[in-house]
Amino acid sequence: EAQVTQNPRYLITVTGKKLTVTCSQNMNHEYMSWYRQDPGLGLRQIYYSMNVEVTDKGDVPEGYKVSRKEKRNFPLILESPSPNQTSLYFCASRTGATNEQFFGPGTRLTVL
Amino acid sequence: KQEVTQIPAALSVPEGENLVLNCSFTDSAIYNLQWFRQDPGKGLTSLLLIQSSQREQTSGRLNASLDKSSGRSTLYIAASQPGDSATYLCAVYSGAGSYQLTFGKGTKLSVIP
Repeated sequence: EAQVTQNPRYLITVTGKKLTVTCSQNMNHEYMSWYRQDPGLGLRQIYYSMNVEVTDKGDVPEGYKVSRKEKRNFPLILESPSPNQTSLYFCASRTGATNEQFFGPGTRLTVL
Repeated sequence: KQEVTQIPAALSVPEGENLVLNCSFTDSAIYNLQWFRQDPGKGLTSLLLIQSSQREQTSGRLNASLDKSSGRSTLYIAASQPGDSATYLCAVYSGAGSYQLTFGKGTKLSVIP
């Protein structure tokens, strides 16, 4: 089944404790991205990657890092999480043919 | 910078009604427009994708239209059902090096049995 997977789905952590949210897609898509969703602000792009080893900032990159060492994986790294990073995070990948985006199930992160 | 607006923010209709959700965008230089559905606390499910060269797309009871020149899209839902209750999001893919999908804030639809 074609899909985007994220892990973990739920995470509660404390300020300053490094964490990684994994994202993987099995559709051989070159383009992947991360979004956060907050009430009243909608979905905002954090980082995106156009291919292996090619990443760039979205609208809200501060406090986040990404890497793209393999085509299928695009982890999101919070090296020193803060409470304002409490949010619902989505990973997405996109076809090259139609530019249709496919989203993962989301990761709900709480930083205390 | 592309901006996407969805009106209304919330809509409540009785079961069986036909309804229209609206989406407008400021920059008409788009590659495509995608409608999504999101259930509370869940991920986004793609409903319809309209390429910039197309005027409309249909899937079952859903019909999405696109008017690039006026910067508008509509999502028409026929014979609404309680299972249609969700938040509907419109997203515009603006190319020209942007590689960014810009989302509206959504319309929360409630279909009352």
